[in-house]
Amino acid sequence: AQTVTQSQPEMSVQEAETVTLSCTYDTSESDYYLFWYKQPPSRQMILVIRQEAYKQQNATENRFSVNFQKAAKSFSLKISDSQLGDAAMYFCAYRSAETGANNLFFGTGTRLTVIP
Amino acid sequence: DAGVIQSPRHEVTEMGQEVTLRCKPISGHDYLFWYRQTMMRGLELLIYFNNNVPIDDSGMPEDRFSAKMPNASFSTLKIQPSEPRDSAVYFCASSLQQAITGELFFGEGSRLTVL
Repeated sequence: AQTVTQSQPEMSVQEAETVTLSCTYDTSESDYYLFWYKQPPSRQMILVIRQEAYKQQNATENRFSVNFQKAAKSFSLKISDSQLGDAAMYFCAYRSAETGANNLFFGTGTRLTVIP
Repeated sequence: DAGVIQSPRHEVTEMGQEVTLRCKPISGHDYLFWYRQTMMRGLELLIYFNNNVPIDDSGMPEDRFSAKMPNASFSTLKIQPSEPRDSAVYFCASSLQQAITGELFFGEGSRLTVL
């Protein structure tokens, strides 16, 4: 089974600064999706950004960008110009794009604190 | 679209009682997932359906848990009898066939407390 590892249980960042959250994964597949989900205190799981494994270009969504290193099986999230509303749990997740495997595997999460 | 709708938002019950959690997926989505989130185990998949058919229920903890999807717009997760260790947040999520986007859309979760 695929595994997703987030080695940083907690991170903090000053408002307006940049922070990078780490994620590594283990798979033998070549075609898959990677995601970062945000879970604020309201507990709603919100998609932040998505990366297709076949795309070499790193995904970006406004202040959020990823560094996808397929060979290293690494998928880090960079948050630029951090805002107080970015404070939340962040989960890295993996989903196979191959037939018959549809589960979304989650890491254990990183709690991000934004310091005013 | 209203998104994935779950009910109840909060449930407090006593050990031994039956609990039913409900989910309405996004219209047109082919897949429906039930996840459980706890501090100890994080987010774990319980079961998922494709076109109303259960595909993988290997994550269902034991026979006390059951899930149904009688039609494309409704699913239930039932726990009978409930135990304190079932206390968790239960999420329902839905998605289109994965080849299109791969993304799961989550409901707001149902927080279950079993006393």
